Amino acid sequence: EIVLTQSPATLSLSRGDRATLSCRASQSVRSNLAWYQQRPGQAPRLLIYDASYRATGIPARFSGSGSGTDFTLIISSLEPEDFAVYFCQQRSNWPLTFGGGTKVELK
Amino acid sequence: EVQLLESGGDLVQSGGSLRLSCAASGFNFNDYDMIWVRQAPGKGLEWISYIRRVYNDVYYGDSVRGRFTVSRDNTKNSVYLQMNGLRDEDTAVYYCVRGGGDGNPSGDYWGQGTLVAVSS
Repeated sequence: EIVLTQSPATLSLSRGDRATLSCRASQSVRSNLAWYQQRPGQAPRLLIYDASYRATGIPARFSGSGSGTDFTLIISSLEPEDFAVYFCQQRSNWPLTFGGGTKVELK
Repeated sequence: EVQLLESGGDLVQSGGSLRLSCAASGFNFNDYDMIWVRQAPGKGLEWISYIRRVYNDVYYGDSVRGRFTVSRDNTKNSVYLQMNGLRDEDTAVYYCVRGGGDGNPSGDYWGQGTLVAVSS
């Protein structure tokens, strides 16, 4: 099973700040990585797929990069609705796995 | 508009069974794989099962393999999760998720979830 480790667990930032979230895989997942955002009480929402492609309707302030074992999600300038939990997920190998999540909270 | 509507969640005793349903609309169901993901209270996401659009190839997470069975009925635009031998640790919100298909990425649509609570 591929283990995804997200860091940091919590990111305390202010509106307008740049957020950098990391996801590291225990073995290569090539570019088969997605990022999701989950707001309290809501289902997750797909942000990024195949490591760097924004899903439909996702604002340009969200960007993804990386391949192999190291991936990054960047939110260039935090908006109020961006304070949420973010999960990465690999789709390279069965079983599909998620990272433990990074909470972006208001400082 | 794409919609995924889960149903069937309930309070059930440990060792019991439950069948979840997910009714899909707004897209050509036959063209998409379908996924179940769960989330225990206050915890992260756990992938449970995957069923392909053709040949009904299925895959399961280690924690549910042998106890849960996923199926689909393309005539009813629905996917199902039969859960047997339920344990306390199966308590979670269960989400139905659209998988890959027709050029769209996997995971682009999620249902609102249905709560399964297992009591011992």
